This record gives sequence, C-alpha cells and structure tokens, in this order.
Amino acid sequence: GNSVTQMEGPVTLSEEAFLTINCTYTATGYPSLFWYVQYPGEGLQLLLKATKADDKGSNKGFEATYRKETTSFHLEKGSVQVSDSAVYFCASDSNYQLIWGAGTKLIIKP
Amino acid sequence: KAGVTQTPRYLIKTRGQQVTLSCSPISGHRSVSWYQQTPGQGLQFLFEYFSETQRNKGNFPGRFSGRQFSNSRSEMNVSTLELGDSALYLCASSSTLGAYYEQYFGPGTRLTVT
Repeated sequence: GNSVTQMEGPVTLSEEAFLTINCTYTATGYPSLFWYVQYPGEGLQLLLKATKADDKGSNKGFEATYRKETTSFHLEKGSVQVSDSAVYFCASDSNYQLIWGAGTKLIIKP
Repeated sequence: KAGVTQTPRYLIKTRGQQVTLSCSPISGHRSVSWYQQTPGQGLQFLFEYFSETQRNKGNFPGRFSGRQFSNSRSEMNVSTLELGDSALYLCASSSTLGAYYEQYFGPGTRLTVT
C-alpha cells in the first residue's frame, strides 16, 4: 500500500539556520502531497501542498517541490525562527484518506 | 468562516465505558475524517464520511464506529474502552472540490482512559 517516510527527529537548529526535512512516498498513481504542522497543544494546520509533479508549494517561507523521479517532497526554509518550533508531518492522499509520515519534531534555539 | 470544532476537548473515562465524540465541519464541507494520534503509533486513519456515507475505514476494531448527519456534523463512538484508546482524536473536514483532497483539522479531543 501507499506509505510516507520522513526523517526522524528531533531536529535541533539555531535561529536563522537553513532547514531541510526529508520526505519520500510510495504510491500507485500520482497522489497530492502535503506538509502539515502541529504546534504544541494544538491541532494540525496545513502548511503547504502540491498536486502534481514539479509543483512547488510554499507558505510562510517554507517550500517543497513534488519530485516524481525521486518520489520526494522535502520541506525547506532558508532561515528558521524560534516560532517555527513544532512537529511537521508529511502526507499523501489516497482513497479518501491521508497517509502520514511519523512526524519530525523541530526545535529552534535562539 | 468558522473552523472545525470538536467537543468535548478533554475527556476522562474508565475502562469498559463508552464515549461519543462530536465534530462540526467547516460550513459547506461535506467530507469528515477522523484520525487517532498517539505518541507510539502517530496519526492513524479511522474513517471518512461524505454525505452520510462511509467511504473508507482504517484498520481499527469494530469498537470504533462513526456516523455523519445530514448537516455534515459527525460523531464517533468507542465502546468498551481500553487503556490503549487513550489518544488525541482529530477530526478533519474537506470540501473535496478540485483535483486534490485538502483537509482542515479541528483542535482534537484528548481522551484519557483510566
């Protein structure tokens, strides 16, 4: 079946550092891909999405490009802030559900 | 538009009891999905409803059930609670319009089983 694999955390960075969180997927067909973020004590928020190959999703300085050839959707940000500390989930859609990665906890130190 | 609302936000039950959680989707959204989130298992899909019909179901025992009403509000029920059912239960709604399936989540119901 479909699956999503993302890098394990926690990932600890200093403020203004460059961020990459890796995500790869396996799927039949061409799913839409998503990054969700969960801040402490809160529900999930959609961060960005891409619906077809080579699409780039972007929001709040975060970007991810749908790479069909490498089945990847890595999340990047050029300069992280303390307020970006959260858990980030990669997901793909399949048969009326989202298939989730395990989540990556991001810790940004001042 | 108001977001997805879930009630109650917190719940404490004892083993063997049953519980009902409620979810009100974003106005106009006709699809509602439920997920269980635990530290050990992460996010796991429970079921999805569209126009009162269950379209997909995850790999959970029959103790977990759900339904959707004509106004798109949804409930999920867990009978004969077990300690392992302690989790954050998340509801998400979607308009299912367009070429992709974008879900908006509520804040969740934190269920603790003692």
